[in-house]
Amino acid sequence: DQQVKQNSPSLSVQEGRISILNCDYTNSMFDYFLWYKKYPAEGPTFLISISSIKDKNEDGRFTVFLNKSAKHLSLHIVPSQPGDSAVYFCAGDMRFGAGTRLTVKP
Amino acid sequence: DVKVTQSSRYLVKRTGEKVFLECVQDMDHENMFWYRQDPGLGLRLIYFSYDVKMKEKGDIPEGYSVSREKKERFSLILESASTNQTSMYLCASSALGAGYGYTFGSGTRLTVV
Repeated sequence: DQQVKQNSPSLSVQEGRISILNCDYTNSMFDYFLWYKKYPAEGPTFLISISSIKDKNEDGRFTVFLNKSAKHLSLHIVPSQPGDSAVYFCAGDMRFGAGTRLTVKP
Repeated sequence: DVKVTQSSRYLVKRTGEKVFLECVQDMDHENMFWYRQDPGLGLRLIYFSYDVKMKEKGDIPEGYSVSREKKERFSLILESASTNQTSMYLCASSALGAGYGYTFGSGTRLTVV
């Protein structure tokens, strides 16, 4: 039973626009939620996290929003750049979603 | 530059073989993890360890075991490899505490024939 779900396998956006990646979870006991970025032939790299007691965390172009009542979080990338093209994984503590492949078109 | 190193990038093994996947980190991290990555399933947790000689089962431990004799090294063992264990295996480490992001190795692509 997947505790973290990313229902969109892929997303395509134009350079300069906003990318919004979504994630749902079922386990209310997660202390932290984390986003990772993965390029082909590399391991995932940590991007940004948010504590379960917060509803927003920002780091440069990346912002994560947490809606506990909906058990939903999202990662916003503004503005999107071609170098952001990668697979993005959402994680709750040690549990990962299936990933969303983001393509940013020039 | 901090690192998690997985001993092999690609591995081909025969069904029934005992397989060892090695992982070493140089960050003095307490936590270490083994995941497998499969298309459409994301990363699934096999085993993790919070300390030397300590291990905990993840979500899919069947057919696997682990060893952590030293803090920096966490080994994944496939007792008798099967074709359904063909996958990308990823090792990760982190400092103590849930909010710390993991540092991942580059992965081992294991094919069992």
